[in-house]
Formats: sequence, structure tokens, C-alpha cells
Amino acid sequence: KQEVTQIPAALSVPEGENLVLNCSFTDSAIYNLQWFRQDPGKGLTSLLLIQSSQREQTSGRLNASLDKSSGRSTLYIAASQPGDSATYLCAVRDTSYDKVIFGPGTSLSVIP
Amino acid sequence: EAQVTQNPRYLITVTGKKLTVTCSQNMNHEYMSWYRQDPGLGLRQIYYSMNVEVTDKGDVPEGYKVSRKEKRNFPLILESPSPNQTSLYFCASSQVNSPLHFGNGTRLTVT
Repeated sequence: KQEVTQIPAALSVPEGENLVLNCSFTDSAIYNLQWFRQDPGKGLTSLLLIQSSQREQTSGRLNASLDKSSGRSTLYIAASQPGDSATYLCAVRDTSYDKVIFGPGTSLSVIP
Repeated sequence: EAQVTQNPRYLITVTGKKLTVTCSQNMNHEYMSWYRQDPGLGLRQIYYSMNVEVTDKGDVPEGYKVSRKEKRNFPLILESPSPNQTSLYFCASSQVNSPLHFGNGTRLTVT
């Protein structure tokens, strides 16, 4: 059964720092992996989607990488800002395209 | 505007009173799914649908029903709600190879 973990559970950094969030999954047979951000009490906003055949995706200050063989993905945030404060979730979609398994999330706080 | 719309946003009900949470998407997506989010347990998949008239159980389907009579709508039905179904519920949709799009959530309280 697929399991997804995220490290660290919480992170507090000063504004301007570059940071890395980690996501690990136990079954490498995935269709894709998606990173989301969630603000308190709000819905999920999609950040990046990486297909199983891709190694990385970039959007602005965000870069996500995928190493399927080792069961790992990282989300790199450059030059962090207070507005980046949120919970970041990764989710893997299995190869049959139906099941989606979420990690527990990393709570990020960027201090001005 | 492309979106997933859930209603209601907030709902307080009593044990045993049937309720329906609606979900509608305007992106012609084939795939739709429901999740619940609980502190310490994260997001868990309740049901999903790959297309019209095709639905299947996720990880926590007990106590829930769904239907997919039209492509755009995927309602979540609680026939006899119980307090352990108090949660934040999300509906999502996607096309093959495209990102999951989420609704804004429905906060349900069952007393």
C-alpha cells in the first residue's frame, strides 16, 4: 500500500532564505506527483505537477524534482517571502490513475 | 472561470439527518473525487469517479455514498451522519495528465 511522508513537519525560516521541502513515497509505480499549498481553513492550490516520466518542473521561484526510483520528490523555494507561509502538501497518483495519496504536509512559516 | 464549486461551505446538522454536499466542475473533467481532511490524519480519499456512471471506493468510504449521473456533478451523500463524520470535505476534478483542481471545501459539523 502506498504511503507518503513529508519532512520536516514544520519549518520556520527568515525571509529571503532558500529552502527545500521533502516528500517520500513507498511505491515507485506512480502516474504523477503534485505539490499543493494550503492556507489555514482554505482549499488546496496546485503548485506543480510532475509526470512520472519527468525529472523536474519549474514555476517562478518554485522548482520540484522527482526521483521515482528512490521514491523522492523535493520542492525548492527560492528567496522565501512571508506570503509563502502555508502548509505544503505532496500527493501521488497511482498508475491506474484512480487513487490519490496525500502526505501529511509541511507547515512553513517565513519570518519577516 | 474554470472552477470546482462545492456547496454549502458550512453545514451543522444532527446525527441521523440525511444530507448532501454538492460538487460541480465546469472544465469537462472526466475524473472527480471526494476527500476529507482531519487534524493529524491529513487528507484521505473517500470516493472517486473515472467517468459518468463509474464510481469506486477510496480509503475511507464507510458512511458515504456518491453518484455520477452527469459529467459535471459529483454529490456526496451522508445517509445517516454521525459525529465521527465531522470534518472538512473537499471535492476535486481533473483530466488525464492534468493537475487536480480542488473546491474551497465544506466544513461539516455533526452533533
